[in-house]
Amino acid sequence: GEDVEQSLFLSVREGDSSVINCTYTDSSSTYLYWYKQEPGAGLQLLTYIFSNMDMKQDQRLTVLLNKKDKHLSLRIADTQTGDSAIYFCAEKEDSSYKLIFGSGTRLLVRP
Amino acid sequence: KAGVTQTPRYLIKTRGQQVTLSCSPISGHRSVSWYQQTPGQGLQFLFEYFSETQRNKGNFPGRFSGRQFSNSRSEMNVSTLELGDSALYLCASSFDGTGGTGELFFGEGSRLTVL
Repeated sequence: GEDVEQSLFLSVREGDSSVINCTYTDSSSTYLYWYKQEPGAGLQLLTYIFSNMDMKQDQRLTVLLNKKDKHLSLRIADTQTGDSAIYFCAEKEDSSYKLIFGSGTRLLVRP
Repeated sequence: KAGVTQTPRYLIKTRGQQVTLSCSPISGHRSVSWYQQTPGQGLQFLFEYFSETQRNKGNFPGRFSGRQFSNSRSEMNVSTLELGDSALYLCASSFDGTGGTGELFFGEGSRLTVL
């Protein structure tokens, strides 16, 4: 069945790059997303990638997709303390109206 | 443009009671989805509505129900509350929620505590 997995925790120093990884099982996924959740808030869409793409860059964010290995990553360049949050990856099938979320990776940025 | 608005933000109920949560989507968005977020189960899909029709439903018991009105506003209801229903209930809207990009825009959630 559908499943999305992420590591639970990542700690980096301010100014370094962060890489958050995600694996998914559904080969029919057409879109993959990265969401950010700050304490007490809902989810904020950061970026998404279509399954026929390998990479997408948006300012400090770079998304890499390895469709063969069903592996998705989010790289945040020059990580700031304001980037501390929980990051969720999610997949969507073409004909589906729902997203399947991973368990979230808590990113802690140390000054 | 106003974002997704959920009310109430916080509420406390006791076991056996019922609760209704409300969601106003972004203006122009016709699809509304509901998700339950708990520390143990993470984000779980509840249901999705488009033009007042439920198009998809997650694996939740019949105590969880929802509806959408002609103005795209949506409500979800949980009857006979159980302790395990304590969660953050998130509503998300999208323009059509279908085979497009499927971008969801989330509200801040309604935090339900069941005592």
